[in-house]
Formats: sequence, C-alpha cells, structure tokens
Amino acid sequence: EVQLQQSGTVLARPGASVKMSCKASGYSFTSYWMHWVKQRPGQGLEWIGAIYPGNSDTSYNQKFKGKAKLTAVTSASTAYMELSSLTNEDSAVYYCTRGVTRYFDVWGAGTTVTVSS
Amino acid sequence: ETTVTQSPASLSVATGEKVTIRCITSTDIDDDMNWYQQKPGEPPKLLISEGNTLRPGVPSRFSSSGYGTDFVFTIENTLSEDVADYYCLQSDNMPYTFGGGTKLEIK
Repeated sequence: EVQLQQSGTVLARPGASVKMSCKASGYSFTSYWMHWVKQRPGQGLEWIGAIYPGNSDTSYNQKFKGKAKLTAVTSASTAYMELSSLTNEDSAVYYCTRGVTRYFDVWGAGTTVTVSS
Repeated sequence: ETTVTQSPASLSVATGEKVTIRCITSTDIDDDMNWYQQKPGEPPKLLISEGNTLRPGVPSRFSSSGYGTDFVFTIENTLSEDVADYYCLQSDNMPYTFGGGTKLEIK
C-alpha cells in the first residue's frame, strides 16, 4: 500500500524556519515526483512545488521561491520541505502528495504549522 | 499562470438531487483537469483524473466532462456522505493551480 507519513504539528515564532518531513512507503520513491500543497485555515489549496527524488530536480511556484526549499533523502525515502522567515501567512496545513503523470494520487495527512509569538 | 475559476462557491441540495460544479480555465489545458473531494480534517481525495477518468473505487455517481477551458463535475443522486469541499486542479502547466473550491451541503 502506498503511504505518505508526515511529521507532526509545529509551533514556530515569526522569523524562524521550520523543516517538515514526508516519508514514503509502498512504492519506488525515486520514480515519482513529490508535490507539496498549502492550505490555510478555511481556505483553498495552493501548489507550492515539487521534487523528483530520482535526480533532485525541483520545480517551484514562483510565489514560494525563497520561502520553501524542497529536498529529498533517497536512502530514507523521505522528502522534506523547509519554510523560512515565517510570518502569520505561513500558518497552514502543508500536504505532501505523490505525483503520477499529471495528477496527485496519494496524499499525506498533513503537517500543521502555527506561527505565533 | 493558468487561473481556474470554480463555481459555485457553495451549494445545498437534497439527497438524491444532482450536483453540478464548473471550472473555467484562463488557458487551454486540453483535458488535464482533475477533481478532488475533501472532507473536514482530511486530505483531499482524488475522484477523477485527467481525461475525465474515474479513479478505481470511486462510485459511478461521480463524473466529469470538458475539454479546453470549460469543465463540469457532476454528482448524480447525491448522498449525505458526499458532504465535503470539492476542488478542481489543472495539471497542464506549472504552476499547477486549483479552483477556489465548492462547499457542498445537504438540506
């Protein structure tokens, strides 16, 4: 069974950075893009970017360049997203989701980030 | 960037009625439109992928149509368990973009 296990809830101060993880299982981690999606409380979905663990190729939504950094460790089948210079606007649930051709099939449960002083 | 305009933002129907949600894209995306269902506290669930393809295990009361810039998602004979938010996602070009969502309630 394909699964994506995301790290837990994070409380961070404004200006800080956070790094969250997404551990994949049940498939070849290096053969699929891993995408990240943001959802603010009560709001819609926003595509942040994606990484191809096979060669670490990345693609970012221009809006999140400089805010999000995507990495992957193939030996651990884990993708990471680091968010920097946090503001209240970064308080959200962040999902990782596997990319299959042109859609996202399996999703993680989400990591909740709360930015508060 | 392709903008996706989804309507309506919310709707309320009785069980057994038909639901129609529309997404219009600002550029031609062929048939690279996908539809997701999201229930409270859960991640989105893929219902229909590009080419109006119903995903395995998804009830046949869900369907979609469309090509180019105009897409429609339909639920026939709506059940109470269909209460959720629904999103369309264009995956023709990056950045991938979602519609604003439709909140479905049951009367």
